[in-house]
Amino acid sequence: EPEVTQTPSHQVTQMGQEVILRCVPISNHLYFYWYRQILGQKVEFLVSFYNNEISEKSEIFDDQFSVERPDGSNFTLKIRSTKLEDSAMYFCASSANIFGYTFGSGTRLTVV
Amino acid sequence: AQSVSQHNHHVILSEAASLELGCNYSYGGTVNLFWYVQYPGQHLQLLLKYFSGDPLVKGIKGFEAEFIKSKFSFNLRKPSVQWSDTAEYFCARVPKAGKSTFGDGTTLTVKP
Repeated sequence: EPEVTQTPSHQVTQMGQEVILRCVPISNHLYFYWYRQILGQKVEFLVSFYNNEISEKSEIFDDQFSVERPDGSNFTLKIRSTKLEDSAMYFCASSANIFGYTFGSGTRLTVV
Repeated sequence: AQSVSQHNHHVILSEAASLELGCNYSYGGTVNLFWYVQYPGQHLQLLLKYFSGDPLVKGIKGFEAEFIKSKFSFNLRKPSVQWSDTAEYFCARVPKAGKSTFGDGTTLTVKP
């Protein structure tokens, strides 16, 4: 069964550093998403991306965040200057339509 | 705004007990409902999903859920839980494209 692949599985970074989280969506999917889950809290929507642009974003997704699909296969989330409160599990997801909505295994980001 | 609520935050059961976790969704729009499970230290896994048709949906690992339109509910059930079912369970409302809305999650602890 096709999978959404995320790398790395765990990233530790110092506060203030830039971090890039990488995702390879399912190949025929057109819609891409990032979610995050702070430990002990609910899964929160960050951003959706379609046709090479952001289609929707939450209030969490401020100027420190950006997304990119640099080469037609990868889908990245960049955090420019990480804060302690950015520590969370970040999930990528992709969909072709409702039937194919699939989450990746997540990247655990720890900001120290 | 569409919302999903899960009323049980933490459920503790003994093995072989029956399980029912509540999920209610807000009125309006297309109703596509998913249940996800997250085992400790792991990513979100899809248990089952409802789009239309038969309101009783069967998923993996012996789980099922019933869509009751009149009650705006999509409760998750399992006749006999096992210790390995210990996990966090999330109900989510998933559009065709765009952000999914997750409930707060229910932590299930099954005592051996």
